[in-house]
Amino acid sequence: DTGVSQNPRHKITKRGQNVTFRCDPISEHNRLYWYRQTLGQGPEFLTYFQNEAQLEKSRLLSDRFSAERPKGSFSTLEIQRTEQGDSAMYLCASSGDRAYEQYFGPGTRLTVT
Amino acid sequence: DAKTTQPPSMDCAEGRAANLPCNHSTISGNEYVYWYRQIHSQGPQYIIHGLKNNETNEMASLIITEDRKSSTLILPHATLRDTAVYYCIVRVGFSGTYKYIFGTGTRLKVLA
Repeated sequence: DTGVSQNPRHKITKRGQNVTFRCDPISEHNRLYWYRQTLGQGPEFLTYFQNEAQLEKSRLLSDRFSAERPKGSFSTLEIQRTEQGDSAMYLCASSGDRAYEQYFGPGTRLTVT
Repeated sequence: DAKTTQPPSMDCAEGRAANLPCNHSTISGNEYVYWYRQIHSQGPQYIIHGLKNNETNEMASLIITEDRKSSTLILPHATLRDTAVYYCIVRVGFSGTYKYIFGTGTRLKVLA
């Protein structure tokens, strides 16, 4: 297994456009997390899935953000009507039954111009 | 949620032990302390975790004070590849529904 993968690695978009990111977790992992990281800061929790159920959403996840994990495998994070403040690294992590360790992907860097 | 406080940066000579401190004075009794590191342009990587006992693995040692208000990550023989941002994290949640509360991290620079 090659670990958690995220696509695209980089995305540049104009303000007001919609963007979608994809995360493929480690195959046997049933838990999936999204974090956002801005420059010089640690990652901030956005949302969490167990299988296909979204169990927790941070207050950071405004109405413009939506995440799905339709079959309990890969997940997508969509941002509608992007704003410059959405520019950040979006990290995905997954964990299995040995839930103490989360494995992070390389992230998707979003730049909103 | 419990928060962590770390010095923003530290230097360490190659081959010496790197001791990275963390304060988590508001931690609750069932909240674990985790350490991750992030090398530039990569996702965070797990190092070690603990609840109240000291822990050691192949990468590092974790020393947690008896009152659990602070901890120290020890890299016993730092190498240039250990240059990274080190995050002290409190894990909150229960029964598999966990999330990490990251601080701002310590930027460790290992010097040749």
